[in-house]
Amino acid sequence: DADVTQTPRNRITKTGKRIMLECSQTKGHDRMYWYRQDPGLGLQLIYYSFDVKDINKGEISDGYSVSRQAQAKFSLSLESAIPNQTALYFCATSEGLAGGQNEQFFGPGTRLTVL
Amino acid sequence: GENVEQHPSTLSVQEGDSAVIKCTYSDSASNYFPWYKQELGKRPQLIIDIRSNVGEKKDQRIAVTLNKTAKHFSLHITETQPEDSAVYFCAASSYNQGGKLIFGQGTELSVKP
Repeated sequence: DADVTQTPRNRITKTGKRIMLECSQTKGHDRMYWYRQDPGLGLQLIYYSFDVKDINKGEISDGYSVSRQAQAKFSLSLESAIPNQTALYFCATSEGLAGGQNEQFFGPGTRLTVL
Repeated sequence: GENVEQHPSTLSVQEGDSAVIKCTYSDSASNYFPWYKQELGKRPQLIIDIRSNVGEKKDQRIAVTLNKTAKHFSLHITETQPEDSAVYFCAASSYNQGGKLIFGQGTELSVKP
């Protein structure tokens, strides 16, 4: 089945370390998104990409960077991790139809802990 | 920018009762309103969505209503079952934002048998 996958699924790191979270999809979707989930705060958009050459900041992009290596791959980097970046991170994809306003398909999530 | 407020944050109902979750949005340009369900330890999944050209949409036991004038929309679940227990998120999007979603804070629904 076409799917959205994330690696790693769990990661514990130390303050100041560089870390990369990876997302791959076999759905053939153009649009990809990175969200952060904290208890009581819902899902906050970090970065989103409409195609390989189009990357946009979301609500909370400070401290994060992204790379869209191919249509199927979208990576999120924390250049120097800090404890308040401890959260559950989700990647999502969607088609570009209807101006992108359609179902987003989420990956299984990456639980990141920064000590 | 858009801001979405969701209430209540927690909701407990008896099996068979109805549940209602409400969201308000701030950007009058928003025209797409999806609802996602996230079961414990799982990924969010779309359960229903509504566009601004309609006022109500139903899918079996779930329905969503939209009041554009008041800028609020609601999720209604009838005949609740224990498997409806999950966190529900509303979201809003405007056409000129290319599908970018702004989510509410989430409602944890507990259905007691």
